[in-house]
Amino acid sequence: SQKIEQNSEALNIQEGKTATLTCNYTNYSPAYLQWYRQDPGRGPVFLLLIRENEKEKRKERLKVTFDTTLKQSLFHITASQPADSATYLCALDMDSSYKLIFGSGTRLLVRP
Amino acid sequence: GAVVSQHPSWVICKSGTSVKIECRSLDFQATTMFWYRQFPKQSLMLMATSNEGSKATYEQGVEKDKFLINHASLTLSTLTVTSAHPEDSSFYICSAPTGGGGTDTQYFGPGTRLTVL
Repeated sequence: SQKIEQNSEALNIQEGKTATLTCNYTNYSPAYLQWYRQDPGRGPVFLLLIRENEKEKRKERLKVTFDTTLKQSLFHITASQPADSATYLCALDMDSSYKLIFGSGTRLLVRP
Repeated sequence: GAVVSQHPSWVICKSGTSVKIECRSLDFQATTMFWYRQFPKQSLMLMATSNEGSKATYEQGVEKDKFLINHASLTLSTLTVTSAHPEDSSFYICSAPTGGGGTDTQYFGPGTRLTVL
């Protein structure tokens, strides 16, 4: 079965730096790979979606890359701010069904 | 933007009782909704797919007789945890896609914290 690994349980960076989060998966590539933000006690909030045949997507300070050869996605937050502190989840939609397989998440802490 | 709501936001119940959780799409219709469960410090696990007008489909290992799902309208799905036990204590989250084909945004509800005493 598909397994997803997100690089570290926690990432601690200084405000203004770029945060880079990693999502690795086993088995075959998903139709869509998505990134979500989750704050404590809240549901996930959609950030970005990237298709199997896309290499990169950007939205404001966010950038996602997708390498199906490495079976890896990188999620970047540039010019990070303390308000970016949250848990970031990688999720795979294997077959365009909207059924998502989530990674365990990376907790990001941006220090002022 | 599209919003999905859940009610209640938290509930505490005694062991053996049943609890109903509602998931509503507020400004769009959702023929399909999904129910996830999240234990502390763990990620979301898909429990079942709720289909409007037909039976829900459950993921492997999820007891359909314990977690009853009803999707009676295009904007409402309910999850009933029957004969709840302390091990059912968890954070239950629903989601709904706004369209078809996997490319549309999927919105998640704010979650319902269930504590079974």
